[in-house]
Amino acid sequence: DTAVSQTPKYLVTQMGNDKSIKCEQNLGHDTMYWYKQDSKKFLKIMFSYNNKELIINETVPNRFSPKSPDKAHLNLHINSLELGDSAVYFCASSFRGGGNEQYFGPGTRLTVT
Amino acid sequence: QKEVEQNSGPLSVPEGAIASLNCTYSDRVSQSFFWYRQYSGKSPELIMSIYSNGDKEDGRFTAQLNKASQYVSLLIRDSQPSDSATYLCAVKKRGSTLGRLYFGRGTQLTVWP
Repeated sequence: DTAVSQTPKYLVTQMGNDKSIKCEQNLGHDTMYWYKQDSKKFLKIMFSYNNKELIINETVPNRFSPKSPDKAHLNLHINSLELGDSAVYFCASSFRGGGNEQYFGPGTRLTVT
Repeated sequence: QKEVEQNSGPLSVPEGAIASLNCTYSDRVSQSFFWYRQYSGKSPELIMSIYSNGDKEDGRFTAQLNKASQYVSLLIRDSQPSDSATYLCAVKKRGSTLGRLYFGRGTQLTVWP
């Protein structure tokens, strides 16, 4: 199936730990994104990569570090997790040109205890 | 002023009715407009995109764009209980950082049988 996939789907961890989320897309897109959706369901962009180059870096704590080994993969590493990091993290992808229709992965629900 | 505003709802309509979802945006140079549907616990799913003034129809869905009024709407004809979800409006501004979408907070729609 052509899609955007993420692992893991659920992540429960304690404060202070370091964790990673992985994303892969097989849609042939050249741009990938990380979004955070908080408990109030507001969807906010965090980062965007185009062909492995960081192009959007919103005001996000330095504890969050994205990496894109190639245009089909985008990972998110989070250091020293805090309670406020609990949220659903979505990966998305699109083509650079055109209307920029973005397609989302299934999400990773992160719970920090 | 928020970039994209939607009535949070909930909007409740009976099965078979027309559901009308509205969205306004603040930046006049916005160029691309999207409607996403998000079921509870799921990821946003792109259902409509519209780029020029007027109506765009796809099955039971019609997107309407009025750039002069900075207004975009989504009509769902013959609403079904399966349409019950949160609908997110997203806007891309001309000249914005590549791929930068601004999301509204969503309107929760309930279709009752």
